[in-house]
Order: sequence, then structure tokens, then C-alpha cells
Amino acid sequence: KAGVTQTPRYLIKTRGQQVTLSCSPISGHRSVSWYQQTPGQGLQFLFEYFSETQRNKGNFPGRFSGRQFSNSRSEMNVSTLELGDSALYLCASSPGLAATPGETQYFGPGTRLLVL
Amino acid sequence: QKEVEQDPGPLSVPEGAIVSLNCTYSNSAFQYFMWYRQYSRKGPELLMYTYSSGNKEDGRFTAQVDKSSKYISLFIRDSQPSDSATYLCAFGSSNTGKLIFGQGTTLQVKP
Repeated sequence: KAGVTQTPRYLIKTRGQQVTLSCSPISGHRSVSWYQQTPGQGLQFLFEYFSETQRNKGNFPGRFSGRQFSNSRSEMNVSTLELGDSALYLCASSPGLAATPGETQYFGPGTRLLVL
Repeated sequence: QKEVEQDPGPLSVPEGAIVSLNCTYSNSAFQYFMWYRQYSRKGPELLMYTYSSGNKEDGRFTAQVDKSSKYISLFIRDSQPSDSATYLCAFGSSNTGKLIFGQGTTLQVKP
């Protein structure tokens, strides 16, 4: 079975621009969660989508948004980029909701975003 | 107070050493406890998953949970250079619907 894939792997943008990241979950997985990873803050939860509906959201500003398509693929969008948005953005998929006891999340390799 | 505290390290040990990685937490609602391993340029992968206080063993890895003191530990026996990675503790609760991760401890095992 193919793992979680994320595109692109690396991205350089300038302040004020917007960016869209893509995640393809493992086949059959219905939940996709997004995380931001930085050296200072560690791994922080952005949001989770399940069956095309946002089920949970972390403490990030409205500039961060996402969506999920009927084939479970997900996109994350960041508008009006700031320098502090430079980070590794990780996507994780699971068969069911991520926080369900016994559920296992499988992470992709991440998209490394640099904002100049 | 942060919900989860994890010493970021780095931690450097010789091959064959016993490694102890620790996390403390403040949220009593956490129901299950996990350890993830993240190699450079890769996403985290699940190592251990446990619900209850006590020890859980899997090969060279032992996860320990003490709910009364609110800390969890991961022990690695006979550490190998291939164990060099960042280890993240994670906590889950069906009440919150999301997982909370520690900052990660970077481990280097020297041959």
C-alpha cells in the first residue's frame, strides 16, 4: 500500500503571497489531519478533515484553511503569508477520526515552506 | 504551564546504552499515550501506543506511563546508531478530538 504523499516537498514564497499544499492519504483512509512543525513550537495541530467535513481545528488564525475532496485527498491553504509561517507542514491520515482510541495516524514526509 | 513538557535535548549516547526519554503533562483528561519516532526529512512514525499506567514492551522499546504523577517515559535498550532520530511523545483524548505532541527529543547514538 502506498503511504501518505505530500506535494510539493519544498516551497519558497514571499510575504503576502498565498500557498496551497496537497496531501494524498493512504487508500481507504477517510481522515486527514494537518500539522505545523517548527523548532520552537514543535508539532502543532492545524485541523482534521473526515468525509469532507472539518471535524476539529487548532489555534491558528483564519489565514490557515483547508478542504477535503470526495476521494479523501486534502489541500491546505495559507493566505497572506508571514515570515513566521516558515515551517514543515505535515499531513497525517487514519482510517477513522484521529483521536479515536486505538486509531493510528500515518504521516507523510511533509512540505517544507520557507517564507522570505 | 504548557500542557506537555519534553526536554528537547539533544541527547548523545554511545551504542549499546540504555536511553530514557521523558514527558510530563498537566491535562488529566488525556486517555492514551504514544511515542513517535521521526527521522531527518521524514514524517513521524508511531512506535508505541498505550492506554493505562504501567509498562508496555516491544522489542528493545518499553513505554512507561504513570498517570498519578503525570509523566510518561520511553526506554530504549541496547541502543543502535539506527535509533538516532527525534522522539515525540503524544497524548490523546476523545474529549478534545485531537492529539497533543511534545516538542521532541533529538537522540544521537554514536557507534
